Amino acid sequence: QQPVQSPQAVILREGEDAVINCSSSKALYSVHWYRQKHGEAPVFLMILLKGGEQKGHDKISASFNEKKQQSSLYLTASQLSYSGTYFCGSRSQGAQKLVFGQGTRLTINP
Amino acid sequence: EAGVAQSPRYKIIEKRQSVAFWCNPISGHATLYWYQQILGQGPKLLIQFQNNGVVDDSQLPKDRFSAERLKGVDSTLKIQPAKLEDSAVYLCASSSVRGNTEAFFGQGTRLTVV
Repeated sequence: QQPVQSPQAVILREGEDAVINCSSSKALYSVHWYRQKHGEAPVFLMILLKGGEQKGHDKISASFNEKKQQSSLYLTASQLSYSGTYFCGSRSQGAQKLVFGQGTRLTINP
Repeated sequence: EAGVAQSPRYKIIEKRQSVAFWCNPISGHATLYWYQQILGQGPKLLIQFQNNGVVDDSQLPKDRFSAERLKGVDSTLKIQPAKLEDSAVYLCASSSVRGNTEAFFGQGTRLTVV
């Protein structure tokens, strides 16, 4: 089942914060976050492998709430380079396939 | 480290014609994915290989799409005959082992069916 992302689109000014959510109707085994810029391939950000896990680098971090079957991506003090479409990918318990959500388009304006 | 290579980058064909896409994954990567990405949507998994075996092809339209992975390395995705709704970017990705590791994507092939 495809994970559901919210919001579908966000417009921010440089320096503002954003949160992107990813939820699934199935029990999640892991959550993968990618960013795709227009006309380019998706680029890996991070993987969260178990409930309660939090990861981050630079000013982008994520959490994984296993009980709620959801993950959130946090972008702090956003930079122009953060613009793009963010996708969460999920693997369900017992499934090997990596399924992506519909994406969240993030626009950062100066 | 060389990335995932795909060819061609662009292809325009008429409906009912056939087309093939090629993917060379990162050396040593056992898992290979083919995704279809329609403009404005997330990548949709068509088929996933583990070495040269199929892990999942539940969303592959098997009446017109086929894929193979020869000797567990290169892969080819074919569409025959193509329909207008097949217009999309076809992304190939690979990862090192089965399970939860980073998937590296190729640049994709943009297919336009007219």
